This record gives sequence, structure tokens and C-alpha cells, in this order.
Amino acid sequence: KQEVTQIPAALSVPEGENLVLNCSFTDSAIYNLQWFRQDPGKGLTSLLLIQSSQREQTSGRLNASLDKSSGRSTLYIAASQPGDSATYLCAVAMEYGNKLVFGAGTILRVKS
Amino acid sequence: NAGVMQNPRHLVRRRGQEARLRCSPMKGHSHVYWYRQLPEEGLKFMVYLQKENIIDESGMPKERFSAEFPKEGPSILRIQQVVRGDSAAYFCASSPIVTSLNEQFFGPGTRLTVL
Repeated sequence: KQEVTQIPAALSVPEGENLVLNCSFTDSAIYNLQWFRQDPGKGLTSLLLIQSSQREQTSGRLNASLDKSSGRSTLYIAASQPGDSATYLCAVAMEYGNKLVFGAGTILRVKS
Repeated sequence: NAGVMQNPRHLVRRRGQEARLRCSPMKGHSHVYWYRQLPEEGLKFMVYLQKENIIDESGMPKERFSAEFPKEGPSILRIQQVVRGDSAAYFCASSPIVTSLNEQFFGPGTRLTVL
């Protein structure tokens, strides 16, 4: 049974700092991995999707890496801004068309 | 292209009533997933449907919960005889039929409160 863990559970940083969010999964036979952002009381916004054959994906100030063999992914946020404050969720899909298994999330607060 | 739509956004029911949650996938998407987010917990998969078929319902509670995705119209998640423990945010996601990405796009959710 796939389990996804996210560390840290919560993070508070000053504006402008670069930061790393961690995600680990127990079964390395994944199809892809997605990072999402969830604002309080809102839905999920997809940030980045990494296929199992890829090592990283970049979008603006965000960079996600994937080390499938060790069961790890990181989300790097450069030059953090108060608007980045949200819960960040990592989720893995085990095969095409299959369900996503989510981590519990990292609550990020960027202080101005 | 409108995103995934869910309605209602907020739903209040008394114990024993029925709750019907609707999800309209993005245009061109024929795969629909339902997830539940209980208070202070992560999102948990409930059911995966394609048009007129339930593909995977391994996350659905055995009783009172059902889901459908008819040929025409939105997907419906139905909860009969609701209890306080059903209070949660219910999210729908969709993905397109022809793609290797399997990227799922989420709706804004329906927040169910059972009194």
C-alpha cells in the first residue's frame, strides 16, 4: 500500500527566502507525481507534474525534482513571497488513470 | 475552457437527509475522480468513473455512498442518511481521455456540513 509523507508539516519563513518542501513515498513504482497548492477553503491548483521517466520540472519560481528509486521528490520555491502562503500537497499516481495518493501537506507561511 | 465545476459549493443537511453533490468535468474530459477531505486530514480517494462506468470504487464507504457518471450530464456523488461524520470537503477531479500525462484537474469542492 502506497504511503506518502511530507516534511515539514508546517514552515514559516521571511519573504525572499528560498525554500524546499519534501515528499517521500514508499512504493517507487509510480506513474507520475503532482504537486498542488491549496488555499484555505479553496480547491487544489496543480503546480507541476513529473512523469516517472523525468527528473525535474520547472515553472517560474518553482522547481520540482523526482528521484524515483529512492522514493523522494522535492519542491523548490525561489525568492518566496507572501502570496506563496498556502498548503502544498504532493500526490502520486500508481498507474495511468489511477487514483492519486496524497500526502498530508506542508503548511507554508511567508512573512512580509 | 471552463474548469471543473462543482455545485453546490456549500451544503447543509440534517442527520438522516440525503446529500447530492454534482461535478461537471472540463470539456473533453471523460475521467472523473471523487476525493474527500475530512477536517484536519489529507485528501482520500473515493471513486473513479468514466462515462457510464465505475472503474475503481475502492475508497467508497460500503454503505450509504454511491456515485454515477451518466452519458449525459454531470457526475453525481450521493450520500444517503447523512451522519455528522460525513461532514467534509468533497472534491471532484477530471482528466482527459487521450493523454499519457494523467494530470488531474480539481474543482473548487463542495463543503458538506451535517447538523
